[in-house]
Amino acid sequence: QITLKESGPTLVKPTQTLTLTCSISGFSLNGNGVSVGWIRQPPGKALEWLALIFWDDDKRYSPSLKGRLALTRDTSKNELVLTITNMDPVDTATYYCAHRIEAAGTVGFDYWGQGILVTVSS
Amino acid sequence: QSVLTQPPSVSGAPGQRVTLSCTGSSSNIGANYDVHWYQQLPGKAPKLLIYVNTNRPSGVPDRFSGSKSGTSASLAITGLQAEDEADYYCQSYDKSLGAWVFGGGTRLTVL
Repeated sequence: QITLKESGPTLVKPTQTLTLTCSISGFSLNGNGVSVGWIRQPPGKALEWLALIFWDDDKRYSPSLKGRLALTRDTSKNELVLTITNMDPVDTATYYCAHRIEAAGTVGFDYWGQGILVTVSS
Repeated sequence: QSVLTQPPSVSGAPGQRVTLSCTGSSSNIGANYDVHWYQQLPGKAPKLLIYVNTNRPSGVPDRFSGSKSGTSASLAITGLQAEDEADYYCQSYDKSLGAWVFGGGTRLTVL
């Protein structure tokens, strides 16, 4: 059974760095063909893709936030960490990690974490 | 403003058929990138409804179907039920942006 769960601070101050952890069970982060992404959703707004890591540690980032995002994985703990620097109130959102569909040549997400609401406020 | 355009709202009566559209361009749907659809119930995480344009994951009722043509995709829901009231998002890849993108979402109201 595949599960993902986000954890981290729910309140950060402007200019601070946000660190979120995605704890994974039911599959291995470095399993062949496995990819995990981060998606966020500001309150009342649409989903926005942020980042994606592939099984071979290849990483892709949203161009709109590139330079502020970083992905790291701990395969021993089966955890994926997303860091976002220089947080701003517009980054207030629910942050989700999600498992990529294991279908060749496409990126969609079939298992999602419950999400964590992060508020940016002084 | 998303590169995938969805109508903000759609409504239908129980039992009816509704169609939700997702309009893209030659740099995303029209470039033959796959479209996926998600259902998001209030306060919940999105749920994959249709993947690779037309495929239903296990457990998704066959009342839901997807299609794609040219630069657009559609999600059809037949036999509308009260439990279908939710937000629906399409998702694809945009080669000009170099990013996976979501539509702005459509809120479905069951009258």
